[in-house]
Amino acid sequence: AQKVTQAQTEISVVEKEDVTLDCVYETRDTTYYLFWYKQPPSGELVFLIRRNSFDEQNEISGRYSWNFQKSTSSFNFTITASQVVDSAVYFCALSEGYNFNKFYFGSGTKLNVKP
Amino acid sequence: DTEVTQTPKHLVMGMTNKKSLKCEQHMGHRAMYWYKQKAKKPPELMFVYSYEKLSINESVPSRFSPECPNSSLLNLHLHALQPEDSALYLCASSHSAAVSYNEQFFGPGTRLTVL
Repeated sequence: AQKVTQAQTEISVVEKEDVTLDCVYETRDTTYYLFWYKQPPSGELVFLIRRNSFDEQNEISGRYSWNFQKSTSSFNFTITASQVVDSAVYFCALSEGYNFNKFYFGSGTKLNVKP
Repeated sequence: DTEVTQTPKHLVMGMTNKKSLKCEQHMGHRAMYWYKQKAKKPPELMFVYSYEKLSINESVPSRFSPECPNSSLLNLHLHALQPEDSALYLCASSHSAAVSYNEQFFGPGTRLTVL
């Protein structure tokens, strides 16, 4: 079974629209870590955020915000007032327990922001 | 210095060639990773080095041979590759591979084409 599911394969929005990228995870560990990465067309994965399983506070960083809900095993990512530069593939990833730093990536969501 | 560098950016090789991919980081990280990424797919973990020792080999064919000469360098030696090995090869590093909370920092990748 897939540990991280990103059901949205591709999303297209017009600049200045808000957009939410969904991430649902599955783990039996009580300690785990969730990550979001951005991969622009250049190819490099850029780290955006890490959240641990004991901290359910939502986080806001500029136009980016993250909603972590353990009850639904979700860690969703919202971009407010999207810009063309936000166009990229976004990956959600899970790292479990006190194990090796092994990431389970979701399949990614491609975001197209049109001017 | 907070970046991971990879050379070359692009590589085209025949099935009988021998080539090497190089990765370097100067962040003092003690864990380094090789990933393979096919188009429209998430990165797939290939190898993990922890303190310059191979810790994880995800059942990668022997035509891929990793090497970690020191804590800053990671190589991937390629020999007798197949066309299906064409992909983006990403290198990453993190503070440690022994714990699961570390974010991984990725390089820009080497785009490999096997003819």
